[in-house]
This record gives sequence, structure tokens and C-alpha cells, in this order.
Amino acid sequence: GQQLNQSPQSMFIQEGEDVSMNCTSSSIFNTWLWYKQDPGEGPVLLIALYKAGELTSNGRLTAQFGITRKDSFLNISASIPSDVGIYFCAGQLTKTSYDKVIFGPGTSLSVIP
Amino acid sequence: DGGITQSPKYLFRKEGQNVTLSCEQNLNHDAMYWYRQDPGQGLRLIYYSQIVNDFQKGDIAEGYSVSREKKESFPLTVTSAQKNPTAFYLCASSLIAGDNEQFFGPGTRLTVL
Repeated sequence: GQQLNQSPQSMFIQEGEDVSMNCTSSSIFNTWLWYKQDPGEGPVLLIALYKAGELTSNGRLTAQFGITRKDSFLNISASIPSDVGIYFCAGQLTKTSYDKVIFGPGTSLSVIP
Repeated sequence: DGGITQSPKYLFRKEGQNVTLSCEQNLNHDAMYWYRQDPGQGLRLIYYSQIVNDFQKGDIAEGYSVSREKKESFPLTVTSAQKNPTAFYLCASSLIAGDNEQFFGPGTRLTVL
């Protein structure tokens, strides 16, 4: 079945640093999503991407839909302690009930004050 | 306030007992989902429901059962047949089936002793 890979698996950064993470797939998706999960809570949608090459920002977060449609990237600028959590990418082929949303394994981010 | 609630937050059960996890939403969403999350892994789909009185198996349905008698409610029963039930369980909903923007509840951490 379809699988997503995320890298890095985990990262430890100093407060104020920029963060980059990516998500890759062996098959194409027409929608890419990025979620953040705070410790002990459910994931919250950060950014949704619907077009190859699309670059979308949400505050200090910027995500890109790769032109091959097999990857996506998330950048966080000037990290702060509340950025700590697990970042999941997710992909979907078509927006129908037949194509489930597939989640990656997550990138765990720790921010050192 | 609209949202999804899951109860309880923490649940302990003895091995061999069935246990039911609650999920309620007041977002008027048609579709609801149950995911299992294990450390270092992505979200794996257990069951989903596109509409009231309908539900479908996900990728790891064995040992679980669900019902969807009301639009607002989608309880998950973890049966004694589930070999490794200790995990973090997340419920989600979306406006319609196939809609990739899923809203998640806060999760229930189940520990089987």
C-alpha cells in the first residue's frame, strides 16, 4: 500500500533557529497536508496544499507541494518553545471516500530555550 | 464551542476485558474515523464511517468493533481479541467522506494491564 516517509525522524534545535523537514512518497498525491500534534493531544491541521508547486504560508510556517507530486516540505522560521511537538505529513490521491488520507510517521521537534 | 470530545483521557483495563472508547462531535460532520497511534509510528486507520448506520474497516480493524447509530457519536470497542491493545486512540471527523481536512479529538490513552 501507499506509504509516506518523513525525515528527519527527530530533531533538537535551539530557540530562534529555522527548521526544515520533508515528506516523500513512492506514489503521487494530489493533496498534501501538514498536521502538528502537541504532547498528549490530537493533531491539528496546519497547512493544506492542493496544487503541484504550490507554496503556502501560515505565520512562521511555510509548506510546499513538490512538483513531482511525490513530496512535500515544511519550514518553520525562528522557532519558539511552543513549536515542540510531532509534525505529521499526510497525503490523499483524490478527494473521495475511496481514497483514504495516508499519514506519515512524524517528525518529532524539540526546541531548546 | 464546536469540536470533538473523547472520554476518558486515560483508561486502564485488565487483559481479556472489552472496553469502549467514546467519541462525540457537534460539528455536524458526516464522516468519522478512528486511528491508533503507537510510539514512532504514524496514524493507522482502524474504522471509518461515512454516514449514520454505515461503517467500513480500515487497515487494522481486527480486534475492534464500532457502531454509528447517531451522527454525533462513533464509539470504538477494543475487544479481548485485539492482541496488543495498549496505545493512544484518536477519533476524527470530516464534513463529508473523503474530505481530507480532518478534525481530531484529544485522544484516549488505553493501557491494558
